[in-house]
Amino acid sequence: NAGVTQTPKFRILKIGQSMTLQCAQDMNHNYMYWYRQDPGMGLKLIYYSVGAGITDKGEVPNGYNVSRSTTEDFPLRLELAAPSQTSVYFCASSSFSTVLTDTQYFGPGTRLTVL
Amino acid sequence: EDKVVQSPLSLVVHEGDTVTLNCSYEVTNFRSLLWYKQEKKAPTFLFMLTSSGIEKKSGRLSSILDKKELFSILNITATQTGDSAIYLCAVGDYNQGGKLIFGQGTELSVKP
Repeated sequence: NAGVTQTPKFRILKIGQSMTLQCAQDMNHNYMYWYRQDPGMGLKLIYYSVGAGITDKGEVPNGYNVSRSTTEDFPLRLELAAPSQTSVYFCASSSFSTVLTDTQYFGPGTRLTVL
Repeated sequence: EDKVVQSPLSLVVHEGDTVTLNCSYEVTNFRSLLWYKQEKKAPTFLFMLTSSGIEKKSGRLSSILDKKELFSILNITATQTGDSAIYLCAVGDYNQGGKLIFGQGTELSVKP
């Protein structure tokens, strides 16, 4: 099992550009999450999904969009990138809906810089 | 508002020292408390503590949960340079579905 995979690992964007961060998991988890991590700030939830076709906002959703067309994939879209979106982005998944465990498994992260 | 606070925010120790990391929380309907270790990459799971499991131990790491006082500690004995990392505490709340609330993290640096 590859677990949770993310692409790209690094990206530099110019202000106003758009991009999609890819996330995939092969553990058949229904729950998937997108977080951003800024220095000294822990992890902030951007969006999450409880299954294919169902998504909801987290704590800091502004400037981002998500979709969940399959159980495996959960891409995060940045429209009109801004310097405030410079951060490290982590995707995670869990089997919460089936075994009621809170354990989330994280991907390797994408380091995004907006200049 | 649900809140998780970790202390200290950073800590520098020498190899062989014992360290205690703290995590306090305020959530509406507590379900679980998790500890993660993050070494310049993805957070990796260490422990999950719940009402039915308030103490966990793995090698030199151990953790306890005090549900009455609303905090948890993570103990690391005989620290090694490989223990250098950010340690994250997160809390699950029955009112929040499958979401976790994360603390700011404690950055531990172990010097040789």
